[in-house]
Amino acid sequence: GENVEQHPSTLSVQEGDSAVIKCTYSDSASNYFPWYKQELGKRPQLIIDIRSNVGEKKDQRIAVTLNKTAKHFSLHITETQPEDSAVYFCAASLTGNQFYFGTGTSLTVIP
Amino acid sequence: SQTIHQWPATLVQPVGSPLSLECTVEGTSNPNLYWYRQAAGRGLQLLFYSVGIGQISSEVPQNLSASRPQDRQFILSSKKLLLSDSGFYLCAGGRRDSYNYGYTFGSGTRLTVV
Repeated sequence: GENVEQHPSTLSVQEGDSAVIKCTYSDSASNYFPWYKQELGKRPQLIIDIRSNVGEKKDQRIAVTLNKTAKHFSLHITETQPEDSAVYFCAASLTGNQFYFGTGTSLTVIP
Repeated sequence: SQTIHQWPATLVQPVGSPLSLECTVEGTSNPNLYWYRQAAGRGLQLLFYSVGIGQISSEVPQNLSASRPQDRQFILSSKKLLLSDSGFYLCAGGRRDSYNYGYTFGSGTRLTVV
């Protein structure tokens, strides 16, 4: 099956700086890559996603890039704010039938 | 829109006792359903997924089992809990007929086996 690796496991940034989280996947057939944000004790929530026919997608301060050749995708958060502090998960899926998640990145934004 | 209902929110069970966690889906018919476990400080581990009534696929062999008696109901069970079964259990649903897939999580059950 698919294997998704995520780095770093923890990340601390100063408020206003950018944060980048990277994921790699093993199955070249995977075609859907969502990112989830999980605040402490709560359910993961979808924040952005990208399909394999797109190289980059932006939504306000959040962007995701995909390199199909290298089989890696990244989450970029600009102008970070304290409320961005959470655990972020990447995932890879083929056709949306199964989702394979990375191990998560705990992001701390220091005021 | 799809909503995943999951209960109970917290559960404390002794070792060797049975377990039954229920997940129901609102707003979507014929969804894909999933059970994940999240150990403290760890990632999301896929336990079971189901593409239809009575259709269960297991990702990780263990003392847990899953059943899908109805289209919008997914149950996670165990006959005898182990200490290692402690964790945060999340049910998730996906809309197979949606271009956006729309993977939605329930609010989770925090299980502590003592």
